[in-house]
Amino acid sequence: KAGVTQTPRYLIKTRGQQVTLSCSPISGHRSVSWYQQTPGQGLQFLFEYFSETQRNKGNFPGRFSGRQFSNSRSEMNVSTLELGDSALYLCASSSGVEEQYFGPGTRLTVT
Amino acid sequence: QQQVKQSPQSLIVQKGGISIINCAYENTAFDYFPWYQQFPGKGPALLIAIRPDVSEKKEGRFTISFNKSAKQFSLHIMDSQPGDSATYFCAATVIKAAGNKLTFGGGTRVLVKP
Repeated sequence: KAGVTQTPRYLIKTRGQQVTLSCSPISGHRSVSWYQQTPGQGLQFLFEYFSETQRNKGNFPGRFSGRQFSNSRSEMNVSTLELGDSALYLCASSSGVEEQYFGPGTRLTVT
Repeated sequence: QQQVKQSPQSLIVQKGGISIINCAYENTAFDYFPWYQQFPGKGPALLIAIRPDVSEKKEGRFTISFNKSAKQFSLHIMDSQPGDSATYFCAATVIKAAGNKLTFGGGTRVLVKP
């Protein structure tokens, strides 16, 4: 089976802009979770989608949003980008509630 | 609030040695504890996981030890190899709750010297 894919892999944006990141889960997986990874804060949970519904949400401002499509593909959007949003954004997929498999991530740089 | 504390932040071990990484958690509701391995430029890869009803789990050279009363768990890498040089993260979640939400430790950078 193909693994979790994320596009784009690298992105450079300017402060104030918005960005959309995409994630395709492993075939058959209906749960998609998003995490932010930074050197200072480590790995932090953003939100999780299951069958097109947000099932869990972390402690991030409303500028961070997401959605999931009927084919389980997911997108996350960050509006009004700030310098502190520079991070590796990771997507993970799961068929259940235990094992989660991560994609390679999207490296976002905000200038 | 850091609910999972991981130590050490980094460690250096000689080839063939044992790498030991420790994690402590606060939330007694946590009931699934995975370990992830991450190489530079890659996403975390699931290495091994344990449930609290088991005190030890071994997969190849990797062993998790779990102490429920102390709320601690650890990863042992036996016969460490240069290819094991990576960052390791412990994590915890409540699987009985709806959904997936991993709480991660801060990570341990392991360097295995040849």
